[in-house]
Amino acid sequence: GENVEQHPSTLSVQEGDSAVIKCTYSDSASNYFPWYKQELGKRPQLIIDIRSNVGEKKDQRIAVTLNKTAKHFSLHITETQPEDSAVYFCAASRGNRDDKIIFGKGTRLHILP
Amino acid sequence: DTGVSQDPRHKITKRGQNVTFRCDPISEHNRLYWYRQTLGQGPEFLTYFQNEAQLEKSRLLSDRFSAERPKGSFSTLEIQRTEQGDSAMYLCASSSATWTQYFGPGTRLLVL
Repeated sequence: GENVEQHPSTLSVQEGDSAVIKCTYSDSASNYFPWYKQELGKRPQLIIDIRSNVGEKKDQRIAVTLNKTAKHFSLHITETQPEDSAVYFCAASRGNRDDKIIFGKGTRLHILP
Repeated sequence: DTGVSQDPRHKITKRGQNVTFRCDPISEHNRLYWYRQTLGQGPEFLTYFQNEAQLEKSRLLSDRFSAERPKGSFSTLEIQRTEQGDSAMYLCASSSATWTQYFGPGTRLLVL
């Protein structure tokens, strides 16, 4: 069945350093890859997404890269700040043909002072 | 607040009781999704609607679970004869044609 693997499960970085989270997916029909941030006790919030027709997308300190051939995609956060501490989920979807999102298990990001 | 809303936010029930949750999507969003999230895991897809039509149900959704969206606006998720394994956060999301799903705050269910 469809599966999204995410690692690491926990990541600690010094404030100001970069953080990288990596994911792989199994369904070759996936063409939409959102990333969600979830703070404790709150709803998942979309922070960035990428469609399969592009290889990279950037929004200020956040960037996502996609390698469709290898079925890999990654989230990069630069110049990390304390408010970046949260759980991050990668996900994959077929888009309009089949809209359900398959989530990874999450990465708990700790920003150390 | 024009975001996705869910009611109740918390529900404690005894095993064997029925519970019903409500989700109000962002207005004009024609797609509505239900997910379940347990501690330390990502959300797992349960079912989704396009307007009134329920288009897909996960194998996770046993016969004790039923969802409706009678007028293509709000949706309800009912769990009959609750079990302790049903304890989780039940999340609702909605989207339009842009593919982006916006999540509600969730209903946290505890079955004793």
